[in-house]
Amino acid sequence: KQEVTQIPAALSVPEGENLVLNCSFTDSAIYNLQWFRQDPGKGLTSLLLIQSSQREQTSGRLNASLDKSSGRSTLYIAASQPGDSATYLCAVMDGNQFYFGTGTSLTVIP
Amino acid sequence: EAGVAQSPRYKIIEKRQSVAFWCNPISGHATLYWYQQILGQGPKLLIQFQNNGVVDDSQLPKDRFSAERLKGVDSTLKIQPAKLEDSAVYLCASSLGTPGLFFGEGSRLTVL
Repeated sequence: KQEVTQIPAALSVPEGENLVLNCSFTDSAIYNLQWFRQDPGKGLTSLLLIQSSQREQTSGRLNASLDKSSGRSTLYIAASQPGDSATYLCAVMDGNQFYFGTGTSLTVIP
Repeated sequence: EAGVAQSPRYKIIEKRQSVAFWCNPISGHATLYWYQQILGQGPKLLIQFQNNGVVDDSQLPKDRFSAERLKGVDSTLKIQPAKLEDSAVYLCASSLGTPGLFFGEGSRLTVL
């Protein structure tokens, strides 16, 4: 069974900074890894999905990388904005199951 | 393309009462998941359906929770009787496999 860990649990940065969120998993035999954003009281919105054969995916100011051999993924957010404040979760697909981390709570200070 | 629909968005009940949540997945998605998310934690899988068959319900508290997915489309999750510790957001998600998971807005349950 996968164990997914996200560090840090919480992060506070001033507007405009670039930042990196980390996700690690214990078993490298995954199909894909997905990053989500969750606003308070809302469901999870998919940000990026990296297939197991890929190394990274980009969408706008977001870039996610995957290193299966080391069991790590990073989500890079460029030029952070107050609207980026939310909880960011990663999930790995292993077989037909998804395993979630506990998330990183991001606050971007204007 | 319509997303995953869930209702109700919010529900407040007394302990020992019952509650039901409804989910309609994205059209064509064979796999449907119900997750429980307690404040400050990641989602925890309760049950996974493939079409109308159960794939995994190992973490579903079967003495009080039940779920069904009739005709392999929409699904209901029921809690009876509710306990204080059931206060959480109940998330429904659907998937077509490797393209990933798509979530609804969630149903927030408060048990008093």
